Amino acid sequence: ETGVTQSPTHLIKTRGQQVTLRCSSQSGHNTVSWYQQALGQGPQFIFQYYREEENGRGNFPPRFSGLQFPNYSSELNVNALELDDSALYLCASSALGTEAETQYFGPGTRLLVL
Amino acid sequence: GQNIDQPTEMTATEGAIVQINCTYQTSGFNGLFWYQQHAGEAPTFLSYNVLDGLEEKGRFSSFLSRSKGYSYLLLKELQMKDSASYLCAATQGDYKLSFGAGTTVTVRA
Repeated sequence: ETGVTQSPTHLIKTRGQQVTLRCSSQSGHNTVSWYQQALGQGPQFIFQYYREEENGRGNFPPRFSGLQFPNYSSELNVNALELDDSALYLCASSALGTEAETQYFGPGTRLLVL
Repeated sequence: GQNIDQPTEMTATEGAIVQINCTYQTSGFNGLFWYQQHAGEAPTFLSYNVLDGLEEKGRFSSFLSRSKGYSYLLLKELQMKDSASYLCAATQGDYKLSFGAGTTVTVRA
């Protein structure tokens, strides 16, 4: 186990709805990255949060947004859900600014949009 | 931009050796990660190569050639529990992991 937790584990939404996914980082880590993994594909980088600010973003539209809190936990918000948003959402924590840059993944939230 | 290529599937026999190749073309390259992912689970960290050469860690070894944009993961003494997807990921700048689509390894008895 990595010490990274995510909630909920599974979620079913309908098109147009909004969803909030949560992630608690591993103790000692100050950075959270979010990834979307479609079935049969590798994870795709959404964005990263460091010291409560967005520290890089992948090729995702603005309806994907996030937050990081003072305790380094993070939220991923997706507005106006589309069918293609159905995927496994993974968060990964790391200790940016140290030699230990390895990202450790949580168990993921599986989102189904109907 | 980034382009990470790895084979889609590989099959090997229990006790054998399998080598999974990965080629990458990534701007701002820092290093190369390998992760293992069992079906329905999160990726788990296997190795990280920054410098050229071979890093050995038990049954698993990983190699990197920065000049060739090439890495491989070597799995020795294969066990049934090694059946999984193996993800190659290149780091860009300080933050972004760019993943390949993954190589599904099936270990047969």
